[in-house]
Amino acid sequence: DIQMTQSPSSLSVSVGDSVTITCRASQGIRNDLGWYQQKPGKAPKRLIYATSSLQSGVPSRFSGSGSGTEFTLTISTLQPEDFATYYCLQHNSYPLTFGPGTKVEIK
Amino acid sequence: QVHLVESGGGGVQPGGSLRLSCAASGFTFNDYAFHWVRQAPGKGLEWVAVISYHGANKYYADSVEGRFTISRDNSKNTLFLQMDTLRPEDTAVYYCARDPGTVATLGFDSWGQGTLVTVSS
Repeated sequence: DIQMTQSPSSLSVSVGDSVTITCRASQGIRNDLGWYQQKPGKAPKRLIYATSSLQSGVPSRFSGSGSGTEFTLTISTLQPEDFATYYCLQHNSYPLTFGPGTKVEIK
Repeated sequence: QVHLVESGGGGVQPGGSLRLSCAASGFTFNDYAFHWVRQAPGKGLEWVAVISYHGANKYYADSVEGRFTISRDNSKNTLFLQMDTLRPEDTAVYYCARDPGTVATLGFDSWGQGTLVTVSS
């Protein structure tokens, strides 16, 4: 199974800051990675697919990059509605696996 | 507009069974594969199972293999998860999620609101 790690596990930031979250795969997954945002009590929402493609309707301040085993999600100019938990997901092979999540909190 | 609505969750004793449903609307159901993803209270997301658009191909997480069965009824635009021999560690919110991939999975582009399953004596 492919293991996914994320760093940091949490971070405390201010509105207007830029945030970068890293996801690493235990083996190469090409660009088969997505990023999901989840707010408390709500279903996850996809932000990025295929490493760097922006899901329709998602603000352009969200961007993704990477390939192989290391991937990043960047949120530029953090907005109040961006405080949430972020998960990466590899869909290169079954079983699909998520990273453990990164909680972005208000400083 | 894509709409996925799960139902069937509830409380059950260890060893018991539940059948979850996910009713889909707003798109052509049999064009898509579907997954179940769960989230234990206060924990992260865990992929559970997938079924192909035609229902012929299915994969499961090791943690549920042999106990859970994913199925679909394309005539009723509904996805199912039959959960047998439930364990306390199966306690979670269960989400159905749509997969836009055809040949290979592309992750999940739409999710339901989730249904809570609680396994406890």
